[in-house]
Amino acid sequence: EVQLLESGGGLVKPGGSLRLSCAASGFTFGRYGMNWVRQAPGKGLEWVASITSGGHYVFYAASVKGRFTISRDNAKNSLSLQMDDLRADDTALYSCARDIEGMPYDYWGQGILVTVSS
Amino acid sequence: DIQMTQSPSTLSASVGDTVTITCRASQSIDIWLAWYQHKPGKAPALLIYKAFSLAGGVPSRFSAGGSGTEFTLTISSLQPEDFATFYCQQYSSYPRTFGQGTRVEIK
Repeated sequence: EVQLLESGGGLVKPGGSLRLSCAASGFTFGRYGMNWVRQAPGKGLEWVASITSGGHYVFYAASVKGRFTISRDNAKNSLSLQMDDLRADDTALYSCARDIEGMPYDYWGQGILVTVSS
Repeated sequence: DIQMTQSPSTLSASVGDTVTITCRASQSIDIWLAWYQHKPGKAPALLIYKAFSLAGGVPSRFSAGGSGTEFTLTISSLQPEDFATFYCQQYSSYPRTFGQGTRVEIK
């Protein structure tokens, strides 16, 4: 069974940092691209970042570029999102999701809440 | 960036109705479009990929079509479990973008 489990969320002050993790199981992690998507309270889905299966290419939304870093460890079946210089509008439920060539996100995690507030 | 615009934003319907949601892209995305169903407290579920292909396990009352810049999602004979928010997403290029969502609510 495919499982994606996020962790590392919580309350952080503006300007602070947080590192999210996504533990993957039930599939060959290294064959899939991985992604972070967020949903702010009362808002829609927003793509945040993507990383290719081998980790060679990364992509970011303009709203997080230069502040967030996506990475992966295929040996540990793990995806990460390092979030620095956090702002109030980064407050959201962050979910990881997988994709493969020609396909969109077929499995998602349940998400982890990040709250940025003083 | 490719903008995705869904209409309507909210749709009120009854069990048994047939409803259609439209998604427009600001430039051609060929058939690189997905539809997701999102219920509160749950992970989004993939319904449609490549504009019209049904994802595994999705009931046949869901259908979709379109190409280029205009796409539709149709739900025939709405069931109680179908009431949710639906999102389109283009995966033709980066940045990936979602429509703003269409909430399907019970009339």
